[in-house]
Amino acid sequence: DQQVKQNSPSLSVQEGRISILNCDYTNSMFDYFLWYKKYPAEGPTFLISISSIKDKNEDGRFTVFLNKSAKHLSLHIVPSQPGDSAVYFCAASRQNAGNNRKLIWGLGTSLAVNP
Amino acid sequence: EPEVTQTPSHQVTQMGQEVILRCVPISNHLYFYWYRQILGQKVEFLVSFYNNEISEKSEIFDDQFSVERPDGSNFTLKIRSTKLEDSAMYFCASSEWTGDYNEQFFGPGTRLTVL
Repeated sequence: DQQVKQNSPSLSVQEGRISILNCDYTNSMFDYFLWYKKYPAEGPTFLISISSIKDKNEDGRFTVFLNKSAKHLSLHIVPSQPGDSAVYFCAASRQNAGNNRKLIWGLGTSLAVNP
Repeated sequence: EPEVTQTPSHQVTQMGQEVILRCVPISNHLYFYWYRQILGQKVEFLVSFYNNEISEKSEIFDDQFSVERPDGSNFTLKIRSTKLEDSAMYFCASSEWTGDYNEQFFGPGTRLTVL
Protein backbone atom coordinates (compact mmCIF):
# COMPACT_ATOMS: atom_id res chain seq x y z
CA ASP A 1 0.00 0.00 0.00
CA GLN A 2 1.87 3.04 -1.29
CA GLN A 3 -0.91 5.60 -1.24
CA VAL A 4 1.11 7.98 0.96
CA LYS A 5 4.85 8.18 0.49
CA GLN A 6 7.55 9.94 2.40
CA ASN A 7 10.64 9.26 0.36
CA SER A 8 13.20 10.70 2.77
CA PRO A 9 13.66 8.47 5.79
CA SER A 10 15.80 11.10 7.51
CA LEU A 11 16.70 14.77 7.42
CA SER A 12 19.31 16.75 9.32
CA VAL A 13 19.27 20.55 9.63
CA GLN A 14 21.00 23.21 11.67
CA GLU A 15 19.16 25.01 14.43
CA GLY A 16 17.60 28.20 13.13
CA ARG A 17 17.41 27.01 9.53
CA ILE A 18 14.35 25.80 7.63
CA SER A 19 13.28 22.14 7.71
CA ILE A 20 11.29 20.95 4.71
CA LEU A 21 9.61 17.57 4.92
CA ASN A 22 7.94 16.17 1.83
CA CYS A 23 5.04 13.83 1.21
CA ASP A 24 3.46 12.46 -1.96
CA TYR A 25 0.14 10.71 -2.38
CA THR A 26 -1.47 8.75 -5.16
CA ASN A 27 -5.17 8.68 -4.28
CA SER A 28 -6.94 11.70 -5.75
CA MET A 29 -9.90 11.04 -3.43
CA PHE A 30 -7.93 12.22 -0.40
CA ASP A 31 -9.26 15.58 0.73
CA TYR A 32 -7.64 16.12 4.10
CA PHE A 33 -4.00 15.88 5.04
CA LEU A 34 -2.32 15.92 8.42
CA TRP A 35 1.16 16.03 9.85
CA TYR A 36 1.95 14.27 13.09
CA LYS A 37 5.10 14.38 15.18
CA LYS A 38 6.22 11.37 17.17
CA TYR A 39 8.81 11.04 19.88
CA PRO A 40 10.10 7.58 20.89
CA ALA A 41 7.78 5.68 23.25
CA GLU A 42 4.97 8.17 22.68
CA GLY A 43 1.94 8.27 20.44
CA PRO A 44 1.73 10.52 17.38
CA THR A 45 0.98 14.16 18.24
CA PHE A 46 -1.13 16.19 15.85
CA LEU A 47 0.81 19.11 14.40
CA ILE A 48 -1.04 20.75 11.53
CA SER A 49 -3.54 19.88 8.82
CA ILE A 50 -4.81 21.13 5.50
CA SER A 51 -7.93 20.47 3.50
CA SER A 52 -7.83 20.02 -0.24
CA ILE A 53 -9.64 23.31 -0.82
CA LYS A 54 -6.59 25.20 0.43
CA ASP A 55 -3.01 25.34 -0.73
CA LYS A 56 -1.42 26.65 2.43
CA ASN A 57 -2.03 26.53 6.16
CA GLU A 58 0.17 28.22 8.72
CA ASP A 59 0.45 27.79 12.48
CA GLY A 60 3.33 29.56 14.14
CA ARG A 61 6.59 28.08 12.94
CA PHE A 62 4.80 25.36 10.95
CA THR A 63 3.41 25.78 7.45
CA VAL A 64 1.94 23.08 5.26
CA PHE A 65 1.76 23.54 1.50
CA LEU A 66 -0.48 21.45 -0.74
CA ASN A 67 0.00 21.05 -4.49
CA LYS A 68 -3.00 19.05 -5.64
CA SER A 69 -1.97 18.82 -9.27
CA ALA A 70 1.32 17.25 -8.23
CA LYS A 71 -0.29 15.28 -5.38
CA HIS A 72 2.40 16.64 -3.13
CA LEU A 73 2.50 18.32 0.24
CA SER A 74 5.30 19.68 2.34
CA LEU A 75 5.80 20.78 5.91
CA HIS A 76 8.05 23.75 6.56
CA ILE A 77 9.43 24.43 10.01
CA VAL A 78 11.01 27.86 10.43
CA PRO A 79 13.13 28.36 12.42
CA SER A 80 14.00 24.80 13.35
CA GLN A 81 14.74 24.10 17.00
CA PRO A 82 16.46 21.12 18.65
CA GLY A 83 13.13 20.20 20.31
CA ASP A 84 11.71 19.62 16.82
CA SER A 85 13.87 16.50 16.50
CA ALA A 86 11.35 13.68 16.09
CA VAL A 87 9.77 11.46 13.46
CA TYR A 88 7.26 13.32 11.30
CA PHE A 89 4.40 11.43 9.71
CA CYS A 90 2.27 12.57 6.82
CA ALA A 91 -1.27 11.15 6.82
CA ALA A 92 -4.20 11.50 4.46
CA SER A 93 -7.90 10.78 4.65
CA ARG A 94 -11.15 10.92 2.79
CA GLN A 95 -14.64 10.80 4.19
CA ASN A 96 -16.25 7.40 3.98
CA ALA A 97 -19.90 6.47 4.12
CA GLY A 98 -19.82 6.32 7.90
CA ASN A 99 -18.61 9.91 8.22
CA ASN A 100 -15.44 8.80 9.90
CA ARG A 101 -12.02 9.20 8.42
CA LYS A 102 -9.40 6.51 8.64
CA LEU A 103 -5.89 7.87 8.26
CA ILE A 104 -3.51 6.47 5.66
CA TRP A 105 0.08 7.02 6.78
CA GLY A 106 3.48 7.53 5.27
CA LEU A 107 6.51 5.75 6.69
CA GLY A 108 7.77 8.89 8.41
CA THR A 109 10.83 11.13 8.19
CA SER A 110 13.20 11.33 11.11
CA LEU A 111 14.24 14.96 11.61
CA ALA A 112 17.37 15.84 13.52
CA VAL A 113 17.91 19.50 14.36
CA ASN A 114 21.50 20.10 15.37
CA PRO A 115 22.42 22.89 17.80
CA GLU B 1 -5.22 19.52 28.45
CA PRO B 2 -7.40 16.46 27.79
CA GLU B 3 -5.60 13.45 26.41
CA VAL B 4 -6.17 9.90 25.29
CA THR B 5 -4.84 7.32 27.72
CA GLN B 6 -4.02 3.66 27.11
CA THR B 7 -3.31 0.73 29.38
CA PRO B 8 -1.20 -1.27 29.74
CA SER B 9 1.86 0.38 28.24
CA HIS B 10 3.38 -3.03 27.54
CA GLN B 11 1.66 -6.42 27.35
CA VAL B 12 3.51 -9.69 26.94
CA THR B 13 1.45 -12.75 26.12
CA GLN B 14 1.78 -16.28 24.85
CA MET B 15 0.59 -17.16 21.37
CA GLY B 16 -3.05 -18.26 21.44
CA GLN B 17 -3.94 -16.22 24.51
CA GLU B 18 -6.56 -13.49 24.60
CA VAL B 19 -5.54 -9.91 25.25
CA ILE B 20 -7.59 -6.80 25.93
CA LEU B 21 -6.07 -3.41 25.26
CA ARG B 22 -7.76 -0.50 26.95
CA CYS B 23 -8.18 3.11 25.98
CA VAL B 24 -9.91 6.11 27.50
CA PRO B 25 -10.65 8.59 24.70
CA ILE B 26 -11.07 12.32 25.21
CA SER B 27 -14.42 12.77 26.93
CA ASN B 28 -16.35 14.86 24.39
CA HIS B 29 -15.08 12.94 21.38
CA LEU B 30 -17.46 10.86 19.33
CA TYR B 31 -15.24 8.87 16.96
CA PHE B 32 -12.81 6.23 18.10
CA TYR B 33 -10.10 4.39 16.25
CA TRP B 34 -7.50 1.68 16.67
CA TYR B 35 -4.30 1.64 14.64
CA ARG B 36 -1.22 -0.50 14.90
CA GLN B 37 2.40 -0.18 13.88
CA ILE B 38 4.55 -3.23 13.40
CA LEU B 39 8.20 -2.41 13.99
CA GLY B 40 9.70 -0.76 10.92
CA GLN B 41 6.40 -0.57 9.07
CA LYS B 42 3.72 2.03 8.51
CA VAL B 43 0.98 2.86 10.96
CA GLU B 44 -2.04 0.83 9.80
CA PHE B 45 -5.71 1.48 10.37
CA LEU B 46 -7.59 -1.32 12.12
CA VAL B 47 -11.07 -0.11 12.95
CA SER B 48 -13.23 2.95 13.53
CA PHE B 49 -16.18 3.15 15.91
CA TYR B 50 -19.05 5.58 16.19
CA ASN B 51 -22.39 5.54 17.94
CA ASN B 52 -21.64 2.17 19.51
CA GLU B 53 -20.92 0.37 16.31
CA ILE B 54 -18.07 -0.27 13.92
CA SER B 55 -18.00 2.28 11.09
CA GLU B 56 -15.20 0.75 9.10
CA LYS B 57 -12.65 -2.01 9.52
CA SER B 58 -9.57 -3.05 7.60
CA GLU B 59 -8.66 -6.48 6.25
CA ILE B 60 -6.42 -6.90 9.28
CA PHE B 61 -9.43 -6.68 11.58
CA ASP B 62 -10.64 -10.25 11.17
CA ASP B 63 -12.80 -12.42 13.43
CA GLN B 64 -10.03 -12.57 16.02
CA PHE B 65 -10.46 -8.86 16.74
CA SER B 66 -13.33 -7.09 18.43
CA VAL B 67 -13.94 -3.66 19.91
CA GLU B 68 -16.25 -2.51 22.63
CA ARG B 69 -17.22 0.62 24.50
CA PRO B 70 -18.44 -1.08 27.67
CA ASP B 71 -19.18 1.86 29.92
CA GLY B 72 -19.24 5.16 28.05
CA SER B 73 -15.65 6.02 28.82
CA ASN B 74 -13.47 3.03 27.98
CA PHE B 75 -12.84 1.76 24.46
CA THR B 76 -11.29 -1.69 24.25
CA LEU B 77 -9.64 -3.82 21.58
CA LYS B 78 -9.74 -7.55 22.14
CA ILE B 79 -7.64 -10.08 20.30
CA ARG B 80 -9.12 -13.51 20.97
CA SER B 81 -6.22 -15.76 20.06
CA THR B 82 -2.99 -13.88 19.55
CA LYS B 83 -0.52 -14.77 16.84
CA LEU B 84 3.17 -13.93 16.62
CA GLU B 85 2.42 -11.44 13.86
CA ASP B 86 0.11 -9.47 16.18
CA SER B 87 3.21 -8.14 17.94
CA ALA B 88 3.08 -4.38 17.37
CA MET B 89 2.39 -1.00 18.94
CA TYR B 90 -1.35 -0.47 19.18
CA PHE B 91 -2.58 3.11 19.20
CA CYS B 92 -6.01 4.30 20.16
CA ALA B 93 -7.25 7.62 18.78
CA SER B 94 -10.33 9.75 19.13
CA SER B 95 -11.81 12.75 17.37
CA GLU B 96 -14.76 15.05 17.80
CA TRP B 97 -17.21 15.85 15.09
CA THR B 98 -16.25 19.24 13.70
CA GLY B 99 -17.86 19.10 10.32
CA ASP B 100 -16.05 17.59 7.41
CA TYR B 101 -12.60 17.52 8.90
CA ASN B 102 -11.31 16.51 12.28
CA GLU B 103 -7.95 15.75 13.78
CA GLN B 104 -7.43 12.48 15.52
CA PHE B 105 -5.72 12.55 18.88
CA PHE B 106 -3.64 9.56 19.83
CA GLY B 107 -2.79 7.80 23.04
CA PRO B 108 0.75 6.76 23.96
CA GLY B 109 0.22 3.23 22.67
CA THR B 110 0.39 -0.30 24.03
CA ARG B 111 3.32 -2.41 22.99
CA LEU B 112 2.05 -5.97 22.49
CA THR B 113 4.62 -8.74 22.43
CA VAL B 114 3.40 -12.21 21.49
CA LEU B 115 5.80 -15.03 22.35
